[in-house]
Amino acid sequence: DGGITQSPKYLFRKEGQNVTLSCEQNLNHDAMYWYRQDPGQGLRLIYYSQIVNDFQKGDIAEGYSVSREKKESFPLTVTSAQKNPTAFYLCASSSVGGKLFFGSGTQLSVL
Amino acid sequence: SQELEQSPQSLIVQEGKNLTINCTSSKTLYGLYWYKQKYGEGLIFLMMLQKGGEEKSHEKITAKLDEKKQQSSLHITASQPSHAGIYLCGADNTGNQFYFGTGTSLTVIP
Repeated sequence: DGGITQSPKYLFRKEGQNVTLSCEQNLNHDAMYWYRQDPGQGLRLIYYSQIVNDFQKGDIAEGYSVSREKKESFPLTVTSAQKNPTAFYLCASSSVGGKLFFGSGTQLSVL
Repeated sequence: SQELEQSPQSLIVQEGKNLTINCTSSKTLYGLYWYKQKYGEGLIFLMMLQKGGEEKSHEKITAKLDEKKQQSSLHITASQPSHAGIYLCGADNTGNQFYFGTGTSLTVIP
């Protein structure tokens, strides 16, 4: 079945540590997105990519980094510069002009 | 960036009651999407509206986009516990970025 897979479901970060969230899609979509969701709030755009080897910052990119080396994959690294990383992270993909398909999310917490 | 304001922020209704959720944009909407999210899960696509005055229905959920294309409403008829969750409106700007509203949390009491 086609879809988007995020892993892990739960992730814990120690102080000063970088962690990477995985996002893989087999929908042949060109565009991929990372969003952050805090309790009781909507989604805020972190980074997005419309094509391989290219990506743009969203509204809250500071403290995060991404890569898009393959069409299917768009990993998100939460760096130690992100001082408040605890949140629910959602990955999505879409064809050009199409609706977004979402993964099941990763809950990141700080130890 | 495009801003989408949703109201109400939260809603608690008795099973069987009707309800409406509103989404207001700071800019003209070129595509308005409604999604539903179960707590701690990803978003599920409900409907997409593009044309001013457009109305779509799926089961007991109806969404409308007003003529001026800056506001949309989501109406649920005869609510059921299965309707509970977070409803989010989303829109794409001309740069193919998707933005989302603040979300409306719906609780349906049996």
